[in-house]
Amino acid sequence: QQQVKQSPQSLIVQKGGISIINCAYENTAFDYFPWYQQFPGKGPALLIAIRPDVSEKKEGRFTISFNKSAKQFSLHIMDSQPGDSATYFCAAGQGTYKYIFGTGTRLKVLA
Amino acid sequence: GAGVSQSPRYKVAKRGQDVALRCDPISGHVSLFWYQQALGQGPEFLTYFQNEAQLDKSGLPSDRFFAERPEGSVSTLKIQRTQQEDSAVYLCASTLSGASYNEQFFGPGTRLTVL
Repeated sequence: QQQVKQSPQSLIVQKGGISIINCAYENTAFDYFPWYQQFPGKGPALLIAIRPDVSEKKEGRFTISFNKSAKQFSLHIMDSQPGDSATYFCAAGQGTYKYIFGTGTRLKVLA
Repeated sequence: GAGVSQSPRYKVAKRGQDVALRCDPISGHVSLFWYQQALGQGPEFLTYFQNEAQLDKSGLPSDRFFAERPEGSVSTLKIQRTQQEDSAVYLCASTLSGASYNEQFFGPGTRLTVL
């Protein structure tokens, strides 16, 4: 019940395209859903986060869509750029410290 | 200001050796976390401190793992009698307070390889 399932494992997108990464959770007590971006040799960095009282949050080219009834959330990267090539992790937390991370999606944006 | 720093960045240990990994959180950050990230996987929670108090150590995989934060700033994760399955990147993160929804700022990690 503590798992967060993330897909796809890897993704290749053309420059300018839309990258979509999906996550699903089981524990309905989760109430904070951040997405982290990680470059090789670096620690994860917060990209965008959402709480379940809204269905969508947008920051620049990054959008989180949240479906509470389906217990799913997704990250959309619009106008994907080669600099977006990284590993993306979704996570879920119970409003506090103990994040459960997905297994990651390795995104490659072709120039 | 400086971010979260970790040292060493790389550590190679022979099986059975003890290792100590250091984390310097962002100055003033109350909460500190340790995660273990296996190759190709997401980070997995190990333990959590609020100031010097270790409030949750439920993620520590065995009694060979020990973490401390004696003065509420720098933290050390110690692994005794290392095993090959301990090979991973160990990430430290800190947040400003223990309140909900604060961003966790991650360090670059220490890559531990146990031979």
